[in-house]
Amino acid sequence: DAMVIQNPRYQVTQFGKPVTLSCSQTLNHNVMYWYQQKSSQAPKLLFHYYDKDFNNEADTPDNFQSRRPNTSFCFLDIRSPGLGDAAMYLCATSRDPGDEQYFGPGTRLTVT
Amino acid sequence: AQSVAQPEDQVNVAEGNPLTVKCTYSVSGNPYLFWYVQYPNRGLQFLLKYITGDNLVKGSYGFEAEFNKSQTSFHLKKPSALVSDSALYFCAVTRPGFQKLVFGTGTRLLVSP
Repeated sequence: DAMVIQNPRYQVTQFGKPVTLSCSQTLNHNVMYWYQQKSSQAPKLLFHYYDKDFNNEADTPDNFQSRRPNTSFCFLDIRSPGLGDAAMYLCATSRDPGDEQYFGPGTRLTVT
Repeated sequence: AQSVAQPEDQVNVAEGNPLTVKCTYSVSGNPYLFWYVQYPNRGLQFLLKYITGDNLVKGSYGFEAEFNKSQTSFHLKKPSALVSDSALYFCAVTRPGFQKLVFGTGTRLLVSP
C-alpha cells in the first residue's frame, strides 16, 4: 500500500546532540511537510517542500533544518535539541498544495 | 489570513447517539475545508474534504460534514457514534493557491458505551 513512513517511531537524544528524523513516501506526491505537535495540540508547521522548493515558516527556529534529496525522502535535522524540542514530529505529503495531506505515524522525540 | 475555530475542547456522546463536532472558519476567498482524526500516538488520518459542489460531504467511517457558507461553518457529523470513534478531531482550512493548512485546536470526542 502507498504510504508515508517515518523512522524511527521513537527517538531519544541528549540535550545538544544533533538528531535526524526521516520520512519516506511511496505516494509520489510533490509536497512534503514537517510538523511539530505537542501534547495533543494542533500540529505546527515547521516547513515544507514543494518539489525542490523549500518553504520555511517564519517562526521556525534556526535549530531546525530540512533536506529533501529526492521525491521520496525528506529529513528533519535538529542541530542542538533543547528540552523544549521534545514533541511528536509528523511528516505529511500531498499531491499538490491545497490537496488533502497524508500523514505518517510520527516520531516521538525525547530529549534528556 | 486563514483561521479555524473549534469551540469545544471535548464532546461527550453515548454510543449509538448522533454526534456533532463543530468547526467555524475564516478565509479570504473560497475555502478548502478538511477534517482529520488522530488516535493516540498516531499521525493524523484524513476523513473528508470540501472543495466545491454539494454542501454535504461524505467521508470515511460513516462521517459526513456540512458546509454552510453563510455561517462559515463545517461541522462534522455522524448519525450513530461508536466507542471506536473516540479520538482527537482536527478541522483545517486552506484556500486556492495557498500552500499550507491551518488547523484548529482540536476537539476530543469521547464516546461512552
